[in-house]
Amino acid sequence: DARVTQTPRHKVTEMGQEVTMRCQPILGHNTVFWYRQTMMQGLELLAYFRNRAPLDDSGMPKDRFSAEMPDATLATLKIQPSEPRDSAVYFCASGSIPASPLHFGNGTRLTVT
Amino acid sequence: SQQGEEDPQALSIQEGENATMNCSYKTSINNLQWYRQNSGRGLVHLILIRSNEREKHSGRLRVTLDTSKKSSSLLITASRAADTASYFCATVAGDGNKLVFGAGTILRVKS
Repeated sequence: DARVTQTPRHKVTEMGQEVTMRCQPILGHNTVFWYRQTMMQGLELLAYFRNRAPLDDSGMPKDRFSAEMPDATLATLKIQPSEPRDSAVYFCASGSIPASPLHFGNGTRLTVT
Repeated sequence: SQQGEEDPQALSIQEGENATMNCSYKTSINNLQWYRQNSGRGLVHLILIRSNEREKHSGRLRVTLDTSKKSSSLLITASRAADTASYFCATVAGDGNKLVFGAGTILRVKS
């Protein structure tokens, strides 16, 4: 079965350090989403792309977060500098067409100390 | 911001019983989707219902949609211990692209 792959699965880092999370969407999918999940806020949409172009990143703190798709097989989410409040599970998901069901990766659990 | 709100927040039932979860949303939608999340894993799509549909079935799952009340329900019949998970509704709104999730219902099925 095709699946969305996220790396790393777990990341522990100190406040102020740069964090890069990577996602390999399912081949042929042209929409990619980044979500953040915490107990307090639930699933928050951070950014999404269609055909590698960013359509909406209004959910991201712009001063420290950035999301890119350097090519169709790689999406990245970067936090610089990281803060303890960024601790969460970050999910990447991809879909074949707009409004279609999404396929999720298993997430990156980020802990910032 | 969350578009959908699930009710109840948590549900505990015995194996074999039916489980019903409800979802309310705020704006007009293109479609509504239900997902399941097992502990420590990503979300898995269960079923999609379009705004012009009222009911949909998939195996032991039954989803209804009432656009006049901006609400949906997910019914799991004859529940099993393996159904223990969190269940989320999600709506496609706005530009028709982004999928916004509710807070979820934690379902526990006791064997």
